[in-house]
Amino acid sequence: AQSVAQPEDQVNVAEGNPLTVKCTYSVSGNPYLFWYVQYPNRGLQFLLKYITGDNLVKGSYGFEAEFNKSQTSFHLKKPSALVSDSALYFCAVILPGNTPLVFGKGTRLSVIA
Amino acid sequence: DSGVTQTPKHLITATGQRVTLRCSPRSGDLSVYWYQQSLDQGLQFLIQYYNGEERAKGNILERFSAQQFPDLHSELNLSSLELGDSALYFCASSAAGQRAAGNTIYFGEGSWLTVV
Repeated sequence: AQSVAQPEDQVNVAEGNPLTVKCTYSVSGNPYLFWYVQYPNRGLQFLLKYITGDNLVKGSYGFEAEFNKSQTSFHLKKPSALVSDSALYFCAVILPGNTPLVFGKGTRLSVIA
Repeated sequence: DSGVTQTPKHLITATGQRVTLRCSPRSGDLSVYWYQQSLDQGLQFLIQYYNGEERAKGNILERFSAQQFPDLHSELNLSSLELGDSALYFCASSAAGQRAAGNTIYFGEGSWLTVV
């Protein structure tokens, strides 16, 4: 069973507009949730994580994400997109117990000038 | 720069051959993870080591093996290579076990393996 889902393969947004990259999870208990970004020919860079506490998490490069337990979602957002935000974004979850970081399939974000 | 160093960055080899990928974790990190990224399978967890001991195993083929040395660097050995093994192999590290509160897993830039 898939633990984390990114329903969109591709998201296109105009520069300056707000962006949202969606992520939902399907685990019991209290998961730890992460967002990573992969720029072309680069490794995975950590953006932000939710462990506990405030549902709104702020991360690198102006990104933020909101943990919504009732909707089992952890969408990534940014108020104003930049062309340089164009990259592949991965949502990931650590399940209860000693399990590895499980990644979604990724969403390719294209910000158009 | 995440602080996780992987070598080589690129590697081209023939089917049936054996290669070794090397990883140096962030200073002070005890856990090392290996992931495989391919177009059809996405990011797949292979194996985790913690302070020299195997901690968790994922979808790692029997032809693949890994180890973590006393100085905490790790190697991933891939043998009897097949065309389908062509992928980007990531190493990652964290301070302790993955459930330790506040720990983030940091990734290296990967080793591109092409099997021809």
